[in-house]
Amino acid sequence: GAGVSQSPSNKVTEKGKDVELRCDPISGHTALYWYRQSLGQGLEFLIYFQGNSAPDKSGLPSDRFSAERTGGSVSTLTIQRTQQEDSAVYLCASSFSGWDTEAFFGQGTRLTVV
Amino acid sequence: QKEVEQNSGPLSVPEGAIASLNCTYSDRVSQSFFWYRQYSGKSPELIMSIYSNGDKEDGRFTAQLNKASQYVSLLIRDSQPSDSATYLCALNTGTASKLTFGTGTRLQVTL
Repeated sequence: GAGVSQSPSNKVTEKGKDVELRCDPISGHTALYWYRQSLGQGLEFLIYFQGNSAPDKSGLPSDRFSAERTGGSVSTLTIQRTQQEDSAVYLCASSFSGWDTEAFFGQGTRLTVV
Repeated sequence: QKEVEQNSGPLSVPEGAIASLNCTYSDRVSQSFFWYRQYSGKSPELIMSIYSNGDKEDGRFTAQLNKASQYVSLLIRDSQPSDSATYLCALNTGTASKLTFGTGTRLQVTL
C-alpha cells in the first residue's frame, strides 16, 4: 500500500493476556518508530528501528513490552500480561532513512484492556 | 526541562486571521524539525519539515527556524475552521536518534 498500515485497528483484550500489534511501513522506508498516546495526552516514544536493529528502545515502559522488525520491513510490538494502564492508541511511523527525512504515521491501533 | 516545549493552548483565532504556533527545544544539536497536525481521534499528519535557519513556505503554512534561539514556529495564514486541531512540533537530533515530540498546541479557529 501507499501508506503505513497498522493492524488491528482496534483491539479489546482481557487483563493479563498478551497482544501483538503489527506495523507495515511504507515500502523502502528503513526507519520505523513506535509511539503510544493515551487519551488527551501527547505522544510517548517507545522504540526506534533502523533496518532490523533498534538503536533506541529507551521508551519501552517495562519488560512486558518488546518489539521486533524482520526483513527491514514489518514490525511487531508485543505486550505481555496486559494491564489496564496499557490502554492507549499505539502509533507507528516510518521514514525513508531516519533523522533527516519526514516520518509518516499509520492510523494507529486502539488497545483497550478490560 | 522538557526536550520540546509547546504552549498547550487552546489558541483561539478568528477565521481569516494568522495563527502563530511556537516551539522551543533544549538540545542544540537538533537538526531536523517537523510540524504535524492531529485532529481529534486521528493520527498525526505531517504538514512541514524544515532543516535550515529561515523561513519555508508551503501554501498557507510558513515554518520558521532559528537555531541560535532554539526556536521553531508555524504560521497559518487565512486560518479556516478546518485548521482547528492540535499542532505537534517534532525534532530529531541526528543519526540513531528518535523523533521527539512536544505535547502540542490546540488551535481553535472561530467563525
